[in-house]
Amino acid sequence: DAKTTQPPSMDCAEGRAANLPCNHSTISGNEYVYWYRQIHSQGPQYIIHGLKNNETNEMASLIITEDRKSSTLILPHATLRDTAVYYCIVGGGSNYKLTFGKGTLLTVNP
Amino acid sequence: EAGVAQSPRYKIIEKRQSVAFWCNPISGHATLYWYQQILGQGPKLLIQFQNNGVVDDSQLPKDRFSAERLKGVDSTLKIQPAKLEDSAVYLCASSPTSTASTDTQYFGPGTRLTVL
Repeated sequence: DAKTTQPPSMDCAEGRAANLPCNHSTISGNEYVYWYRQIHSQGPQYIIHGLKNNETNEMASLIITEDRKSSTLILPHATLRDTAVYYCIVGGGSNYKLTFGKGTLLTVNP
Repeated sequence: EAGVAQSPRYKIIEKRQSVAFWCNPISGHATLYWYQQILGQGPKLLIQFQNNGVVDDSQLPKDRFSAERLKGVDSTLKIQPAKLEDSAVYLCASSPTSTASTDTQYFGPGTRLTVL
């Protein structure tokens, strides 16, 4: 079973920041937080991952709370092409395996 | 860099028939994964190969599903005989290694299977 909890759906206005939350209260010390997204009729696409520190790349920022029990994926300026299902996944460490939940359907509206 | 290739993209069969899917991973990637994604759910790992050896097949229904990765490059996934509940998208992914705990997985476009 997935070890994360995400809202089933969210809306965001085009050009605004999209903040996608994820709870992972049972995360262990050597497990990472990964984010993937899946645009309709495509395979999942890697976005970002982190262990303890906040991370930023060209696609998004990942904010992990100090106790590591939750995180937020931030898309700073959402576009219509960011409409997708976003998956928050906990894994890695000694057992590198991605277990996908149902994710959050983010709909970016014009 | 070419991505993960899968074929066919779509397949319709009747129950009890057999079907095979093909995957060609990104060149040089040691690890290959097959996932099953049922409508409305996230992908579920069926089998993981490291080169041509199986690392994890704990969720593969071995009475009807089989997979191989000859020569450690491309791979085939077979279902024989198919059931109605096998209707799903079958995704192939690859990653450079599985020894690194942060390996990114690169996914192909998937094969949509409909069993009638």
